[in-house]
Amino acid sequence: DAGVTQSPTHLIKTRGQQVTLRCSPKSGHDTVSWYQQALGQGPQFIFQYYEEEERQRGNFPDRFSGHQFPNYSSELNVNALLLGDSALYLCASSIDRGSYGYTFGSGTRLTVV
Amino acid sequence: AQSVTQLDSQVPVFEEAPVELRCNYSSSVSVYLFWYVQYPNQGLQLLLKYLSGSTLVKGINGFEAEFNKSQTSFHLRKPSVHISDTAEYFCAVTLFNNAGNMLTFGGGTRLMVKP
Repeated sequence: DAGVTQSPTHLIKTRGQQVTLRCSPKSGHDTVSWYQQALGQGPQFIFQYYEEEERQRGNFPDRFSGHQFPNYSSELNVNALLLGDSALYLCASSIDRGSYGYTFGSGTRLTVV
Repeated sequence: AQSVTQLDSQVPVFEEAPVELRCNYSSSVSVYLFWYVQYPNQGLQLLLKYLSGSTLVKGINGFEAEFNKSQTSFHLRKPSVHISDTAEYFCAVTLFNNAGNMLTFGGGTRLMVKP
C-alpha cells in the first residue's frame, strides 16, 4: 500500500522563478495539506485542500498557491521565488480534513539560489 | 491561537538509558496532541496521539506520552533508548472542531543516543 508520494525529491531554482511541487495522497485519503519546514525548524502549515477547494490557510503570502484534482492529488505552486523559500516542503494526506491524523510524505527539498 | 513549546532543542543520552522529551502547549480550547519523529532526509512518522480518554498514551517503538491538562504538557518518554532512536522529534497540536485540523508544531528536539 503506497503512502504519500511527492515529486520531485530535490530541485534547485533561481530567485524570481516559479516552481510546482506534486503530491499523491495515500490510498483512501481525500484531504491534502502542505507544510514548509525550514532548516532546523518545525513544519509550518501552508494550506489544506479538501473537495478540490482550499479549506484553510496559514500565514503565507499569495505567492503560494495550490490545487487539488478530482483524484485527490495536489500541487503546490510558488511564484517569484525568494532565497527564504528554500526549505523542505512536506505533503500530508488524511481522511476528512485530518480528524484522525495525517500521513506525511518524504518531502521535496527546494533550494533557491 | 495555539502554540507549542519544546523546551529542549537537543537531548543527548546514552544507549539503554531512559529519556523524556518535554512539550508544553498553549490553547484556550481543548486540543488533540501528537508526537512525530523525523529521521534524516525523511518525512514525519506518527509516534502517538492523544484524542481523548486515558491520559497515558502508548505509541510505536516503545514510546509513551502523558497528557497533563492542568500543566498543559504532553511529555514523551521511553524507558530504554536505542541508537536507532536518534532522530528529530516534534510535538504538535490541533484544535477540536477545527474545520481544517491544521497542525501547529513545536520547534523540535534532537535526540542523540550515544553508545
